[in-house]
Amino acid sequence: EAGVAQSPRYKIIEKRQSVAFWCNPISGHATLYWYQQILGQGPKLLIQFQNNGVVDDSQLPKDRFSAERLKGVDSTLKIQPAKLEDSAVYLCASSLMTSGGKQFFGPGTRLTVL
Amino acid sequence: RKEVEQDPGPFNVPEGATVAFNCTYSNSASQSFFWYRQDCRKEPKLLMSVYSSGNEDGRFTAQLNRASQYISLLIRDSKLSDSATYLCVVNRDGGSQGNLIFGKGTKLSVKP
Repeated sequence: EAGVAQSPRYKIIEKRQSVAFWCNPISGHATLYWYQQILGQGPKLLIQFQNNGVVDDSQLPKDRFSAERLKGVDSTLKIQPAKLEDSAVYLCASSLMTSGGKQFFGPGTRLTVL
Repeated sequence: RKEVEQDPGPFNVPEGATVAFNCTYSNSASQSFFWYRQDCRKEPKLLMSVYSSGNEDGRFTAQLNRASQYISLLIRDSKLSDSATYLCVVNRDGGSQGNLIFGKGTKLSVKP
C-alpha cells in the first residue's frame, strides 16, 4: 500500500517569499492533517480536513498560512510571506475518518527560511 | 501546565536494559492516548495505543492512569533499533476527530 506522499522534500527560501507544499494522502483516507514540527518539538496541528471541509484550523496563522483540499484528495499548504520562524518540517498525515489517533505521516517537507 | 509533558531525556541505556518513559496530560476530557516513535529526520509512526487496562505489545508495555492523568511506556530488553524519540500523544477534546496533541518527545539511545 502506498503511503502519504509529500513534495518537495526540501525547500530553502528567503524571508518574505512564498512557498507551497503538496500532499497526497493514502487512498481512501477521508481525513488529512497538516502539522508543523519545529526542531526539538513535537508536531503541532495546523489544520485538519475531513474530505474537502475544514474540521479544525484554530492553530493555523491565517494571516500568512492557507491550505486547501479542493477535491477531497490532494492538499496544498501555502505560506505567504514566509518568516524566519516558519523554518520547520511540515508534515502531512492522513487517517480513516473514525480512526482517531492512528494517523499515517508522510516524510515531510523541510523548510528553511533565510 | 503544558497540555502534554514528557521526561526531557535523553535516555542513554545499554542493550538489554529496561527503560521507562513517563508523560502527563492536562485535559481530563481526553479519551485517547498513544505512543508514537520518530526516528532521526523521519516522520512519526504509531507505536501503540494506550488503553485504560494497560496493554502490551512484545517488549513494549503501555499504562494509563486517568486519575493522575499519567501515561507510561516501558521497554524491556532494549535493542539498538529502539533508538529513537518517543512521542506521547493525547487526543485533544475527547472526540474521535483525531485532533492530537504531541509531547516534545523523549530521546532514547541504546548503546552496544
